[in-house]
Amino acid sequence: SQKIEQNSEALNIQEGKTATLTCNYTNYSPAYLQWYRQDPGRGPVFLLLIRENEKEKRKERLKVTFDTTLKQSLFHITASQPADSATYLCAVNYGGSQGNLIFGKGTKLSVKP
Amino acid sequence: GAVVSQHPSRVICKSGTSVKIECRSLDFQATTMFWYRQFPKQSLMLMATSNEGSKATYEQGVEKDKFLINHASLTLSTLTVTSAHPEDSSFYICSARESGRAFYEQYFGPGTRLTVT
Repeated sequence: SQKIEQNSEALNIQEGKTATLTCNYTNYSPAYLQWYRQDPGRGPVFLLLIRENEKEKRKERLKVTFDTTLKQSLFHITASQPADSATYLCAVNYGGSQGNLIFGKGTKLSVKP
Repeated sequence: GAVVSQHPSRVICKSGTSVKIECRSLDFQATTMFWYRQFPKQSLMLMATSNEGSKATYEQGVEKDKFLINHASLTLSTLTVTSAHPEDSSFYICSARESGRAFYEQYFGPGTRLTVT
């Protein structure tokens, strides 16, 4: 069965630096992969989606890459700010095109001023 | 747009009682709604998928008689935890997919923290 691994439980960086978060999947390549932000006691908020035929996607200070050979996605936040501090979740679809998602445990990012 | 609400945001109940959680899509119609559970420092785990007007599809290991799901309209789904026990204490999150939108577009609610004493 598909498993999603976000290897770093926590990541601490200095304001202004680039944060890089990793998401690995173990089985088949998903049709798409999504990244979400989750604040404490809140539901996930969608950030970016990347399809299996896309190498890279950008949105403002966010960049996502998708390497189907490595079975890995990287999520970058450039010029990080303390307001970026949150838990970031990676999710992939399973069950064909039904839209059901498998989530990783997330990486808690702390950006220190 | 695409706002999903949940009510209540927090609930404390006694062991053996039942609790109902509502999930509403406020500005769109949702043919499909999903219910997730999240334990501390764990990933969101899909419990069930509900389509408006039909029975919910439960994930393996989720007791359908314990977690009753009703998706009676295109804007409302409810999750009832029956005969709740302390191990049911968790963060319950719903998401909704808008009718006619891409299958991967889900919008999440803010979650409901359930504590069973």
